[in-house]
Amino acid sequence: AQSVTQLDSQVPVFEEAPVELRCNYSSSVSVYLFWYVQYPNQGLQLLLKYLSGSTLVKGINGFEAEFNKSQTSFHLRKPSVHISDTAEYFCAVSSNNNDMRFGAGTRLTVKP
Amino acid sequence: DAGVIQSPRHEVTEMGQEVTLRCKPISGHNSLFWYRQTMMRGLELLIYFNNNVPIDDSGMPEDRFSAKMPNASFSTLKIQPSEPRDSAVYFCASRLSGGAGETQYFGPGTRLLVL
Repeated sequence: AQSVTQLDSQVPVFEEAPVELRCNYSSSVSVYLFWYVQYPNQGLQLLLKYLSGSTLVKGINGFEAEFNKSQTSFHLRKPSVHISDTAEYFCAVSSNNNDMRFGAGTRLTVKP
Repeated sequence: DAGVIQSPRHEVTEMGQEVTLRCKPISGHNSLFWYRQTMMRGLELLIYFNNNVPIDDSGMPEDRFSAKMPNASFSTLKIQPSEPRDSAVYFCASRLSGGAGETQYFGPGTRLLVL
């Protein structure tokens, strides 16, 4: 079975600063990797996903993530954050057995 | 596109009462998922359906929980009897049946409070 570890439960950052949200996974089979964002009182929304091919994946709102198989990581990055990026971010992994697992989430707080 | 629709958005009930949560998936999606989100346990998969058939219900906490999908456009999650520890946000998500790489689309959730 696969699992996901999000190493930081909270990440405070100032507006226009870069940010990296860390995600590590474990799985014995090939996986698909996702980042979702959850704004207050809303459901989860897909930011980006890695299926195969290029290890650098670009998503919505200026976010990108890099799949690193040797380090079993899929860290999310943004070069310059905005106040509106304040939200909870979830890393998730799934495989062909259809069992998607979510990490515990990282709360990103962007301060002015 | 209306997205995944869940009702009610908020539910407050007393311990012992029956609670029914409803979900309408995106038209054309073949897979439907029910999740529960709490501060303590994060986001947990309760059950998922493929073509209206329950595939994996290993995440359902106990017999008080049941889920049905009578047709492709409707699903319910029922808790009977409800307990305070069931208080959580319950999400429904749907997906095309292309496989595990397909995106899951989430509804806005039902916030349940059991007193």
